[in-house]
Parts: sequence; C-alpha cells; structure tokens
Amino acid sequence: GAVVSQHPSRVICKSGTSVKIECRSLDFQATTMFWYRQFPKQSLMLMATSNEGSKATYEQGVEKDKFLINHASLTLSTLTVTSAHPEDSSFYICRWGGAGNEQFFGPGTRLTVL
Amino acid sequence: GESVGLHLPTLSVQEGDNSIINCAYSNSASDYFIWYKQESGKGPQFIIDIRSNMDKRQGQRVTVLLNKTVKHLSLQIAATQPGDSAVYFCAENEDSSYKLIFGSGTRLLVRP
Repeated sequence: GAVVSQHPSRVICKSGTSVKIECRSLDFQATTMFWYRQFPKQSLMLMATSNEGSKATYEQGVEKDKFLINHASLTLSTLTVTSAHPEDSSFYICRWGGAGNEQFFGPGTRLTVL
Repeated sequence: GESVGLHLPTLSVQEGDNSIINCAYSNSASDYFIWYKQESGKGPQFIIDIRSNMDKRQGQRVTVLLNKTVKHLSLQIAATQPGDSAVYFCAENEDSSYKLIFGSGTRLLVRP
C-alpha cells in the first residue's frame, strides 16, 4: 500500500534556528498535501493545505512567514519552521490528500526547541 | 491558537467490556467521517469510516454510528482489549477537497 515518510523523525534545535521537515510519498503521486501539528494531550490541528505548483493556504492563526511550505513535486513537500521558539515545540504530521486511510499519513516529526 | 493546558477526556473500561467513544462534529455540510486511533509518538491509524448517507457501519469489533440530526458520531469497540488503549479521534471531511478536521479526542484506558 501507499507509504508516506517524514524526515527527521525527531529534531532538537536551539531557539532562533530554522528547521526543515520533509514529507515524501514513496509509491504514489498526489497534488494536495496537508500539514498538521499536535501539542501534547491535544488533537491534530490543521496548519495549511498545499497544492503542487501553487502557494499554500494557511488556516486562521497560522503565520505563513513562519511556517514555510514548499510543495516542490508530486512526491515531496517540506515544512520549514523559521526562527523556531520553544512554543513551536510540537509533533508535526503531514498527510497527502486523498482517502483518509492511514497509509496517507506521515509518521510525524517531534520538534523540540530549547 | 491552541488551548494551553487542555487535557483529553479519559474513558476507563474493564478488559472484555464494550467501549463507547463519542464525538460531536461542527459542520453540517461534512459528508465523510473517520475514526482514528493514535498511540504515543505515532501518527493516526485508520479504524473505520462512514459516509453521511449511512447511519451505521460495522467493522471487525468496531461499529460507527452517525446521527446527522444532532451532529454526533460514536465509536463502539466490542470486547475491549489492552491493545485498544490509545487516544481516539474523530475527523470530518469538510468538502470534496479531502481536507480532514479532527475532533478533540478521547483517551481510552483498558484495565486488566
């Protein structure tokens, strides 16, 4: 079945640095991709929707200049957290558009900002 | 932004009993609903889905009920096992763009 990978699975960085998270589909192509973040003991919150070849659409309250999304190809999307701060520490999960089946979710990236 | 300090409600059940997890959704236009299971440090795991033209769907040990009148979903797990311990989320599809919005979640604890 379809598999989505995320890299890195865990990252620890200093406050003020930028962190890039990659989301790859391994055996299928999709034009739409969603990025979620999840704080401890909370639900998944949709951050943005991106389509290959066009600008991402951000949810209310999510800063587009802080969370840069690049949907470079049909198999790769990246989320860059710029000038990260401790409050950005979270679990970031990508999901390729399509059926809600588990194979379309990435395994997640745990970001810790010191 | 997210609510700081918000804790997931917890349902504690005895192993072997049936579990019922409830979810209220917000958009009356949503036409597709999914239940997910999430274990610590992992992404969501698909359990079962249902479309708005149905009010009940059964899987292996799980049943989803949909009440569109009151915008309510429930997940029933039969003969709950220790391996069912996890956080459960409902999700609704707002439109045909496959955009999923997640509910607040419930933590299920299974007592041996």
